[in-house]
Amino acid sequence: GENVEQHPSTLSVQEGDSAVIKCTYSDSASNYFPWYKQELGKGPQLIIDIRSNVGEKKDQRIAVTLNKTAKHFSLHITETQPEDSAVYFCAASISPSGGSYIPTFGRGTSLIVHP
Amino acid sequence: DAGITQSPRHKVTETGTPVTLRCHQTENHRYMYWYRQDPGHGLRLIHYSYGVKDTDKGEVSDGYSVSRSKTEDFLLTLESATSSQTSVYFCAISEYRGGNGEQFFGPGTRLTVL
Repeated sequence: GENVEQHPSTLSVQEGDSAVIKCTYSDSASNYFPWYKQELGKGPQLIIDIRSNVGEKKDQRIAVTLNKTAKHFSLHITETQPEDSAVYFCAASISPSGGSYIPTFGRGTSLIVHP
Repeated sequence: DAGITQSPRHKVTETGTPVTLRCHQTENHRYMYWYRQDPGHGLRLIHYSYGVKDTDKGEVSDGYSVSRSKTEDFLLTLESATSSQTSVYFCAISEYRGGNGEQFFGPGTRLTVL
């Protein structure tokens, strides 16, 4: 089955700095890679996703890059703000096409942004 | 926010007692999932459902059972709770629209087994 490794487990940055979280996956058939943000006391929420036919995707201060050859993908947050402090999860799966959609999650990165 | 509620939100119980957690959705999504979240382990899938009365096991299904008799409700049962089942439990839903399978998560249930 799929195995997703996520690093670092904790990331501490100063407000305004950039933050990068990296994930690797094992199953070359995986083609859908979502990222979730979990604030304290809440459930995870999708913030950005990327498919394997795209190398990079941006949404304001957030970007995700994908290297299919190396089987790794990364989340980049620029100009970090204190409200970016949360736990971030990456996941990998085969894009749903009518069958079961079962993503495999990384273990999470706790991002702390210091004012 | 997607219409997902979980009940109870907090529960303390004793070892050996049965426990049922409920997930209710108002989105009419086909797929429903139960995860547990533990420090250092991220989100681990317990069971999932791909339709009414259609369920399958995830990676950590031992000691858990599920039922889905209606589209909107997905129940997770711990037949005889153990301390190792102390965790935060999340329900999630998803649907296929245009190839997207975004999962929406509920607020979680914190379960403590003494």
